[in-house]
Amino acid sequence: ETGVTQSPTHLIKTRGQQVTLRCSSQSGHNTVSWYQQALGQGPQFIFQYYREEENGRGNFPPRFSGLQFPNYSSELNVNALELDDSALYLCASSLMETQYFGPGTRLLVL
Amino acid sequence: AQRVTQPEKLLSVFKGAPVELKCNYSYSGSPELFWYVQYSRQRLQLLLRHISRESIKGFTADLNKGETSFHLKKPFAQEEDSAMYYCALSRGNAGNMLTFGGGTRLMVKP
Repeated sequence: ETGVTQSPTHLIKTRGQQVTLRCSSQSGHNTVSWYQQALGQGPQFIFQYYREEENGRGNFPPRFSGLQFPNYSSELNVNALELDDSALYLCASSLMETQYFGPGTRLLVL
Repeated sequence: AQRVTQPEKLLSVFKGAPVELKCNYSYSGSPELFWYVQYSRQRLQLLLRHISRESIKGFTADLNKGETSFHLKKPFAQEEDSAMYYCALSRGNAGNMLTFGGGTRLMVKP
């Protein structure tokens, strides 16, 4: 087990609200990626942070933003929530060429 | 733009039968391809990558650039192979920023 943790495990929000999801990577993993996994689909890449800077982004609007902190933790922030944002959100930290995934946060937007 | 296609949502085989999980990709550059697996109640984890040319748990996958395929194979399926399998393509230079296929659920019946 690689020790990537995410919080909370489940979350319910209403449309238009804002949400912050958190991820704690293993020490030394200086790259973190976030993915959105809708029900019945594969994960979709949102963005990646390396040494606290965003260095890659998928096809997601600017209301999806993130932060990475020096202690290897990171956040995913989503503003103006929409119903289609309901999904499992995964973070993955990287060491060398292997990504280690967390268990995910399941977000439901009503 | 890159794309990964897994044409089968569900593949059901009997124990001891050969297994082939199909994966096709489109990518303009030189692809790095991976297979990830998610067992029941566990997190997503790396199974194998094409660069390593390794066999993990009896599974192998060969990159066929002519057919743009990266099919996962195992000669004799075991019940413990039952899981969700995702093919993924990396557009980063370190096995990250993954584009995933939709996944194939493998069920191995006794």
